[in-house]
Amino acid sequence: DADVTQTPRNRITKTGKRIMLECSQTKGHDRMYWYRQDPGLGLRLIYYSFDVKDINKGEISDGYSVSRQAQAKFSLSLESAIPNQTALYFCATSFGGGSTQYFGPGTRLTVL
Amino acid sequence: EDQVTQSPEALRLQEGESSSLNCSYTVSGLRGLFWYRQDPGKGPEFLFTLYSAGEEKEKERLKATLTKKESFLHITAPKPEDSATYLCAVQAKYGGSQGNLIFGKGTKLSVKP
Repeated sequence: DADVTQTPRNRITKTGKRIMLECSQTKGHDRMYWYRQDPGLGLRLIYYSFDVKDINKGEISDGYSVSRQAQAKFSLSLESAIPNQTALYFCATSFGGGSTQYFGPGTRLTVL
Repeated sequence: EDQVTQSPEALRLQEGESSSLNCSYTVSGLRGLFWYRQDPGKGPEFLFTLYSAGEEKEKERLKATLTKKESFLHITAPKPEDSATYLCAVQAKYGGSQGNLIFGKGTKLSVKP
């Protein structure tokens, strides 16, 4: 089984809808991250969490919110989706500071 | 401002034709430099971490090196299965992005048989 899983893998939705993307990990890592990837822009950090009670905004948090339900689960929500949120979304995990981040398989989100 | 620039944006090689990818960076104290491989539609796959200038790491046909301002990913005698986008990221010791990865835009490598 994969160490970092994301659901759904693909999602098509309409403008204004609320969407939740979920991430689970079995690596036992304390830190979790959400990124989006757009062609020509690379990976950009949306939110990150050092533990269940510590959540921080990243570079592009506007329009997004997160929830760390447990050490192993980190969800990303789009309260009211808009077309420019169409992108690939990746969850990542790491153990402590200064260590390697391991990525999930991604969710392809399309907002019409 | 912490920044990562990768070049070239795209690289086409013939099978067996060795080459190098470049990652230039500016960062408030380097904690680590990371190389990832990403296949289309998939998540980045970790390759190497380098921590200090002069350090080198190898894995199969790939060798990563680090200086104080840049890193190179050398690909020796590449095969078609090495085709992918290679991402470079840095982690800063200090400043607003401390501890987080700052990614370059990647180099898309295509290896033709």
